Amino acid sequence: AQKITQTQPGMFVQEKEAVTLDCTYDTSDPSYGLFWYKQPSSGEMIFLIYQGSYDQQNATEGRYSLNFQKARKSANLVISASQLGDSAMYFCAMSLSGYSTLTFGKGTMLLVSP
Amino acid sequence: EAGVVQSPRYKIIEKKQPVAFWCNPISGHNTLYWYLQNLGQGPELLIRYENEEAVDDSQLPKDRFSAERLKGVDSTLKIQPAELGDSAVYLCASSSPTPTPNTGELFFGEGSRLTVL
Repeated sequence: AQKITQTQPGMFVQEKEAVTLDCTYDTSDPSYGLFWYKQPSSGEMIFLIYQGSYDQQNATEGRYSLNFQKARKSANLVISASQLGDSAMYFCAMSLSGYSTLTFGKGTMLLVSP
Repeated sequence: EAGVVQSPRYKIIEKKQPVAFWCNPISGHNTLYWYLQNLGQGPELLIRYENEEAVDDSQLPKDRFSAERLKGVDSTLKIQPAELGDSAVYLCASSSPTPTPNTGELFFGEGSRLTVL
């Protein structure tokens, strides 16, 4: 069975600074996908970024990048130039080859201060 | 393109009462999911449909929860009778057909927040 671990319950960052949100995963399946979602206080889950287990390069999407370290089984999210609107819960998730169901971590609350 | 639509957004009921949640996925998405999200936790899968077939309902408490997706489009999740511990957000999501997880992004609705008194 797969497992996602997010060890940071909360993180604080000042506006315009970069922040890293940690995620480690556990699976014996060689083919998997790693996702990050953002959940603002309004409740909807917003897809941010995806990394496939066979992807050679780290994924990037605008201010978001995924620091993928396969040997360490980590998939940390880096947000550059934080904005006030980045304040939200952030969830790391994983899916296995052939299955589209996502398994989520417990999340990290990010607060961006002016 | 319309997103995943859920209703109601909020529901308050007394324990032992029944409740139902409705979800309409994105057009063309044949996979539909119901997730449960407790306060301060990540979403947990309740049931996954491929078209009208429930392919993963191992986490659905079948003594009180039921779900259906009769025509392979919209879906209903029902709880009867509701218990205090069922207070949570019920999220519906859908995804497009894909043979691998490479593009297996899930699109979520805004959720239905249930409070059981």
